[in-house]
Amino acid sequence: ETGVTQSPTHLIKTRGQQVTLRCSSQSGHNTVSWYQQALGQGPQFIFQYYREEENGRGNFPPRFSGLQFPNYSSELNVNALELDDSALYLCASSYRDRDGYTFGSGTRLTVV
Amino acid sequence: SQQGEEDPQALSIQEGENATMNCSYKTSINNLQWYRQNSGRGLVHLILIRSNEREKHSGRLRVTLDTSKKSSSLLITASRAADTASYFCATDERGDKLIFGTGTRLQVFP
Repeated sequence: ETGVTQSPTHLIKTRGQQVTLRCSSQSGHNTVSWYQQALGQGPQFIFQYYREEENGRGNFPPRFSGLQFPNYSSELNVNALELDDSALYLCASSYRDRDGYTFGSGTRLTVV
Repeated sequence: SQQGEEDPQALSIQEGENATMNCSYKTSINNLQWYRQNSGRGLVHLILIRSNEREKHSGRLRVTLDTSKKSSSLLITASRAADTASYFCATDERGDKLIFGTGTRLQVFP
């Protein structure tokens, strides 16, 4: 159903640690976005990358950072984890200016 | 912050019935999209309607958009148990991000 792959699927980290989440975009998609979804809420936009450059950022602190690689895979890094960072993290890719986004199945991050 | 608000928050119907979900938003948009999410996993893109369109169909789905009222509706006809999921509207203002609503949880009973 989806051409976007995220890893890992589940992760448990301790407060204060750092985490890296990975996303492999659908082939040919040059835009990747990351979203955070807390339980019972809609996804919140973290940032978007287009051709390896950040193309927009939501209301998240600098300890949330990202990278997009030439093969259009992407990473989301979160430093100094806080309990409120516990959420489902979703990666979505698309062609620039085309219809809709393809989402991955997400990484469930739990911070204890 | 959430852009859209879906109504109702939860909806329970029998198989074969129609399900209607509404979405309101706050700012001007380029397009509005509807997504389905099963059991807190990834979102599946259902349909996109552009700001200059008023109605769009895809299979059993019908979406309307009223930009003057800043609202949209998603109609699922002849619902099936497999349609049980959460449904989100998302607005795209400039093509750089989606702003999601709070979602409607749909339960379809066999």
